[in-house]
Amino acid sequence: SQQGEEDPQALSIQEGENATMNCSYKTSINNLQWYRQNSGRGLVHLILIRSNEREKHSGRLRVTLDTSKKSSSLLITASRAADTASYFCATDEGGGGFKTIFGAGTRLFVKA
Amino acid sequence: ETGVTQTPRHLVMGMTNKKSLKCEQHLGHNAMYWYKQSAKKPLELMFVYNFKEQTENNSVPSRFSPECPNSSHLFLHLHTLQPEDSALYLCASSPYGVNEQFFGPGTRLTVL
Repeated sequence: SQQGEEDPQALSIQEGENATMNCSYKTSINNLQWYRQNSGRGLVHLILIRSNEREKHSGRLRVTLDTSKKSSSLLITASRAADTASYFCATDEGGGGFKTIFGAGTRLFVKA
Repeated sequence: ETGVTQTPRHLVMGMTNKKSLKCEQHLGHNAMYWYKQSAKKPLELMFVYNFKEQTENNSVPSRFSPECPNSSHLFLHLHTLQPEDSALYLCASSPYGVNEQFFGPGTRLTVL
């Protein structure tokens, strides 16, 4: 079963605006990650937030985690056309091991 | 570049062909992964190898056969595939005990 589900499925904004993507998951986790994928390419790791953290920043990225609601959000501030990509959240199974479950992703389009 | 390479980048094969996908990393990582990414579906984990030992087989059909001769190389042998197996096949690696995965650019496979 799918662990992470992103919302919205697609998002179109103007350059300079902020983009917010949400992720919900079902079971307990040790950490949650966000990845980015340019069309037809491999995924690139953006940020990891641990289950005991509530917020994390990396450059123009801000990630929040609410374990009580089993949800996370990714905020990209001052978006650029180069931010156009698909963004995926990924969770572990919570029991160790190497099984990472990816959501279906949010397709972000930033108009110049 | 993430340090994970995949060859070939594109592959077209008939249903009776036998081909192999190759993944290579020299990042010193111990875990390697195969994922399948189809249109409109979440990224699907296929196999995980840790220190050359297979630790996950996510109910993958036997027409996909993985091989991990050492921690730096991972193969996916393909035979008698079906058109629905057409997808982007992504390889990833990660250090032992670390969730962040480094992805290759993928092999775009088309089965005729």
